[in-house]
Amino acid sequence: EVQLVESGGGLVQPGRSLRLSCTASGFTFGDYAMSWVRQAPGKGLEWVGFIRSKAYGGTTEYAASVKGRFTISRDDSKSIAYLQMNSLKTEDTAVYYCTRVSIAVGGGAFDIWGQGTMVTVSS
Amino acid sequence: SYVLTQPPSVSVAPGKTARITCGGNNIGSKSVHWYQQKPGQAPVLVIYYDSDRPSGIPERFSGSNSGNTATLTISRVEAGDEADYYCQVWDSSSDHQVFGTGTKVTVL
Repeated sequence: EVQLVESGGGLVQPGRSLRLSCTASGFTFGDYAMSWVRQAPGKGLEWVGFIRSKAYGGTTEYAASVKGRFTISRDDSKSIAYLQMNSLKTEDTAVYYCTRVSIAVGGGAFDIWGQGTMVTVSS
Repeated sequence: SYVLTQPPSVSVAPGKTARITCGGNNIGSKSVHWYQQKPGQAPVLVIYYDSDRPSGIPERFSGSNSGNTATLTISRVEAGDEADYYCQVWDSSSDHQVFGTGTKVTVL
């Protein structure tokens, strides 16, 4: 079964850091780009960023709202994608979803989603 | 940055057809993907590359894209179709993914 499972969410104070993990199974992880999408309480979906497959350099792109604070990385040997979040703000409070991108270069559809992990930034 | 605009809500009676629009500048030149999100659940891809359906998605779901508007059509609407729907495109000029504002579909 193709599956994505996020972990690492929780309550964190403003200005602190948190790292989310996304463990994949059921497909060849290294063949796909991976992306993170978030959803603030009661709001719509917001793309956070993605990482291309190694075949496309493993390069990353980020939304303007998180660029310079968030970093996406991947460990293909473990089939895990990471979202390192630094200098967190209260407006980063959201459910964070890990998604598989349907093409390796990163511009396709989000065809597989994890169940999401909640991140709450509050003092 | 590229903006996608959707109507906040659409209401439809069971058995009728719901049409959800997604407006964007020359969106017809881009590939549009659609997601369904039910309360408390993760989104699910229902249409990709304008009009293709992933396996397991009913044929009642279809999509089209031309000019400045993409449309998700749900035929023979059922109570279980009640959900939020989001369109999404890849903006190649910025290398960014973009989501629409979302549409809540209510089955009367």
